[in-house]
Amino acid sequence: SQTIHQWPATLVQPVGSPLSLECTVEGTSNPNLYWYRQAAGRGLQLLFYSVGIGQISSEVPQNLSASRPQDRQFILSSKKLLLSDSGFYLCAWSVGAPASGYTFGSGTRLTVV
Amino acid sequence: GQSLEQPSEVTAVEGAIVQINCTYQTSGFYGLSWYQQHDGGAPTFLSYNALDGLEETGRFSSFLSRSDSYGYLLLQELQMKDSASYFCAVGGNQAGTALIFGKGTTLSVSS
Repeated sequence: SQTIHQWPATLVQPVGSPLSLECTVEGTSNPNLYWYRQAAGRGLQLLFYSVGIGQISSEVPQNLSASRPQDRQFILSSKKLLLSDSGFYLCAWSVGAPASGYTFGSGTRLTVV
Repeated sequence: GQSLEQPSEVTAVEGAIVQINCTYQTSGFYGLSWYQQHDGGAPTFLSYNALDGLEETGRFSSFLSRSDSYGYLLLQELQMKDSASYFCAVGGNQAGTALIFGKGTTLSVSS
């Protein structure tokens, strides 16, 4: 069966520090991968998505970046965190048409202090 | 661009029926999806409508009217465990695109 792993679950980082969040998928090949961010009590904001290794589409210009070094690995990074980067970061995957349903990871709650 | 509108909050009592509406504006419509998110958890997929009409899955049903750019999620026989946020989303019928989510509706079910 397919599973998605996302870590860490919680993270507290100082302003100006770097960030690396990792997401891996098991049990499927060539998944579409997504990063979303959810501010407290808000909706899901699409950050990045990828349809293959090295292919990244960015939706929101900001100080975050994403990479896909392997088929089932998706990494979200920042060189210098801002207070506004705080939020709940969710990785998701789908196969083929994403309208058939995303499977989300358990999320990382990031607090920038 | 794409935008979705849904009510921010809905309240109901156990056993009742509640309808959560969603209106959308999008270029290249590919379908309307619904997701449920319990407090502190990750969203989970509920339903997807590509064509007009009603889709039923147990106590939950989802409706779409493409001519009205409108859809709704219908929850019947409400239970306390249905208290959660519900998101509608559009887009993504083709590989290489992604879903855009609404801001979510918080449903509170009381006894």
